[in-house]
Amino acid sequence: GAVVSQHPSWVICKSGTSVKIECRSLDFQATTMFWYRQFPKQSLMLMATSNEGSKATYEQGVEKDKFLINHASLTLSTLTVTSAHPEDSSFYICSANPVQDIQYFGAGTRLSVL
Amino acid sequence: KQEVTQIPAALSVPEGENLVLNCSFTDSAIYNLQWFRQDPGKGLTSLLLIQSSQREQTSGRLNASLDKSSGRSTLYIAASQPGDSATYLCAVIHNYGQNFVFGPGTRLSVLP
Repeated sequence: GAVVSQHPSWVICKSGTSVKIECRSLDFQATTMFWYRQFPKQSLMLMATSNEGSKATYEQGVEKDKFLINHASLTLSTLTVTSAHPEDSSFYICSANPVQDIQYFGAGTRLSVL
Repeated sequence: KQEVTQIPAALSVPEGENLVLNCSFTDSAIYNLQWFRQDPGKGLTSLLLIQSSQREQTSGRLNASLDKSSGRSTLYIAASQPGDSATYLCAVIHNYGQNFVFGPGTRLSVLP
């Protein structure tokens, strides 16, 4: 079946550094991918919609200059957390849908900023 | 703006019990509703998908119902097992959207 691969699964970084997270659709093309964030003991919240070949759409309250999204191909979207700080520590998860009915999620990336 | 709530926030039951998890959403114009399972520190596992035109879906010991007009869904788990311990998330997609709006989840503990 269709699979969405997310990498890395866990990253620890120092405050001030940038971290890139990749989301790949392995056997289907995805013109749209979604990035969610989940703080400890909270639910998933949509951060942004990644659109292939155009700018991402960010949800209210999400800083586009801090969370850079690039969707350069039909199978890859990347989320870069720039100048990460401890408050950015969270679980980030991407999803993609080959058709509207079905949405596949990556396994998630746990980011810990020291 | 769509809001999804789940009751209870946490639930602890002895093994073998049948249980019901509740989900409510404020905007009934949904395309579909999906129940997920999330283990600690892990991603999401899709359990059941109910289209807006459907009333229920079943998979093994799981049964999910949908009452779109009242904005409610329930997830019924029969004969619970310790392996069912996880957080259960309810999520909806709006008619004109593609992304999910998630509920806060119900943390289930099934005690042996």
